[in-house]
Amino acid sequence: DAGVIQSPRHEVTEMGQEVTLRCKPISGHNSLFWYRQTMMRGLELLIYFNNNVPIDDSGMPEDRFSAKMPNASFSTLKIQPSEPRDSAVYFCASSPTGSRLGIEAFFGQGTRLTVV
Amino acid sequence: GQSLEQPSEVTAVEGAIVQINCTYQTSGFYGLSWYQQHDGGAPTFLSYNALDGLEETGRFSSFLSRSDSYGYLLLQELQMKDSASYFCAVREKYGQNFVFGPGTRLSVLP
Repeated sequence: DAGVIQSPRHEVTEMGQEVTLRCKPISGHNSLFWYRQTMMRGLELLIYFNNNVPIDDSGMPEDRFSAKMPNASFSTLKIQPSEPRDSAVYFCASSPTGSRLGIEAFFGQGTRLTVV
Repeated sequence: GQSLEQPSEVTAVEGAIVQINCTYQTSGFYGLSWYQQHDGGAPTFLSYNALDGLEETGRFSSFLSRSDSYGYLLLQELQMKDSASYFCAVREKYGQNFVFGPGTRLSVLP
């Protein structure tokens, strides 16, 4: 398995532009998480999907952020309009259900977003 | 809801043993996990405790005490490559969110 795949790896955009981050979870994993990591705030959980359904989006900072999971193999995190304070590394992670539930989340390599 | 606390930094020398503590408050969780993250990399899974006690995986061991709301990661025979950030994490039983602690930055000195 190729693991969790995120794209792009790096994104530099101007303030006010729309940014879309993409994630392909590991096949067969039912849970998908989006995290944001900064030096100041650490790893913050933004949103969690289970079986493609958003379960908890209480971590989404504000209405500028939205996430979708149209099918089991693809998810997007969109920021519109982007602001400099959104600069961070965004991670997508997936986790299996069944016997491995609650044990291990598999992370993608992250997208480093810089908003100038 | 839940919260996890860890020391922000730990320093040790090569060959030594270091313990990274994690205290938590949670309404219910499946177990305590530990992750390692090198600078510029992604968090990777290290260890997991579903039950109280010690779990050993090579040079790394992890401990959980549910009654004390406490766990730790023990790293033995430290190597330079162990310099990284270490996170404890829990997956809630009810919301099933995967929540990470603030992380402990370990520096291994020669």
